[in-house]
Amino acid sequence: QQPVQSPQAVILREGEDAVINCSSSKALYSVHWYRQKHGEAPVFLMILLKGGEQKGHEKISASFNEKKQQSSLYLTASQLSYSGTYFCGTEKAGGTSYGKLTFGQGTILTVHP
Amino acid sequence: DTAVSQTPKYLVTQMGNDKSIKCEQNLGHDTMYWYKQDSKKFLKIMFSYNNKELIINETVPNRFSPKSPDKAHLNLHINSLELGDSAVYFCASSPVAVWGQETQYFGPGTRLLVL
Repeated sequence: QQPVQSPQAVILREGEDAVINCSSSKALYSVHWYRQKHGEAPVFLMILLKGGEQKGHEKISASFNEKKQQSSLYLTASQLSYSGTYFCGTEKAGGTSYGKLTFGQGTILTVHP
Repeated sequence: DTAVSQTPKYLVTQMGNDKSIKCEQNLGHDTMYWYKQDSKKFLKIMFSYNNKELIINETVPNRFSPKSPDKAHLNLHINSLELGDSAVYFCASSPVAVWGQETQYFGPGTRLLVL
C-alpha cells in the first residue's frame, strides 16, 4: 500500500523552512527520500533505517519514527535549487524482496526568490 | 560519464505495436529495476533483477517482458502497446543489496507515447 505524503504542495520564499511528512499503514524497515526536478530523473537524498535515526544532507535532514511508521523531511533555509517534487519510498519490514520501494504520491515544493 | 543510461529518450508509436527500451549502467551494481511513472507522477516499481535473476515482479501485464543479458543491462520489451502504457519509464540500479541500504540511481527516463 502506498505511503501518504503531506502536504501535497508547498510554496516558499528563499530562506524559509518546510517539513514534508510521509506516513505508512505498514511496519517499515526503511524510508528513502528522493527529489525529482521537472523532466528529470529522481535523485537520491537519504535513507533512514528503523531505529529513530535522523540524518542530514546539507540543509536537508530527515527523521524516522518506526513506531508511528512516519518519516519527516526537513528543509531549512530553502534555496531556489530545492524546488522539485519530493518522494518518500518505503521498504516494508519483513518483506521478501530487498530494494522494493513503494513510493508516496509526491510533494511539490516551489521556492520563489 | 553517464552512470545509468536509457535508449531511446522518446518513443512515439501506434497502438498494437511492439517496442523495446534499453538500459545500461556502468556503476558495477548488482541490482537493476524498471519503474513506471504515470501522468500524475505516481512512481511504481515493475521489475527488479539481481545479477541477471528476476527478484521483483509486480502485477504487470504479461505484455511487459524484462530481460537482463548481463548484470550491467536490463531491457524492457512491450508487446501490443495500449494507450494506457503511455508514461515515463525509468531504469534504476543499486549496489550489492543490504537490507534498507539500497540507494537507487535512476536513468534519465524514456518518455513513451502511444497513439
